[in-house]
Amino acid sequence: NAGVTQTPKFQVLKTGQSMTLQCAQDMNHEYMSWYRQDPGMGLRLIHYSVGAGITDQGEVPNGYNVSRSTTEDFPLRLLSAAPSQTSVYFCASSSLPPTGLNTEAFFGQGTRLTVV
Amino acid sequence: GEDVEQSLFLSVREGDSSVINCTYTDSSSTYLYWYKQEPGAGLQLLTYIFSNMDMKQDKRLTVLLNKKDKHLSLRIADTQTGDSAIYFCAESINDYKLSFGAGTTVTVRA
Repeated sequence: NAGVTQTPKFQVLKTGQSMTLQCAQDMNHEYMSWYRQDPGMGLRLIHYSVGAGITDQGEVPNGYNVSRSTTEDFPLRLLSAAPSQTSVYFCASSSLPPTGLNTEAFFGQGTRLTVV
Repeated sequence: GEDVEQSLFLSVREGDSSVINCTYTDSSSTYLYWYKQEPGAGLQLLTYIFSNMDMKQDKRLTVLLNKKDKHLSLRIADTQTGDSAIYFCAESINDYKLSFGAGTTVTVRA
């Protein structure tokens, strides 16, 4: 029972490098999203997807791209890493909108990214 | 605007009750949630309350909602060491967006 799997768990990047954070879920969930978690702040929504081929921006989308070519995968791309993107990144999925009745959003274990 | 606020730290003795408080701003929120994050793990839904309810009880957990003051609280009875975690309050903003507080780190001491 894998649930939501994020890779890598840790990553150090140099300023200007690009990379992709991977997220995969095996629950056939339509809804997937990416959050970043920073000290003293709540989780902030970066991008989300309501199904394969459909993505939209969240609160803090700048500097990040996403795509959803399959139901299972929702990768997050950092185009040109900046120190301000140092954070812990969480991917989440749910079968229905995460704000609905009795709907649980399942979270991955997180990717801790440091940009130097 | 959306702004969920909660205190950052709470220390409680094992066996006592813990009360974690949260205030939110969006009066149109339909649901309010409590998520738990254990060390090194992602968030896990603990409980939620529908906005037309005042109280919800689930085993050791009691959620109280004061809609007039936009105040939400989570009470954990008989707090155990396994309850040590970060607890996030969240409100539903629209169909797809949850707005999270900064999280309250609960430390249970023997």
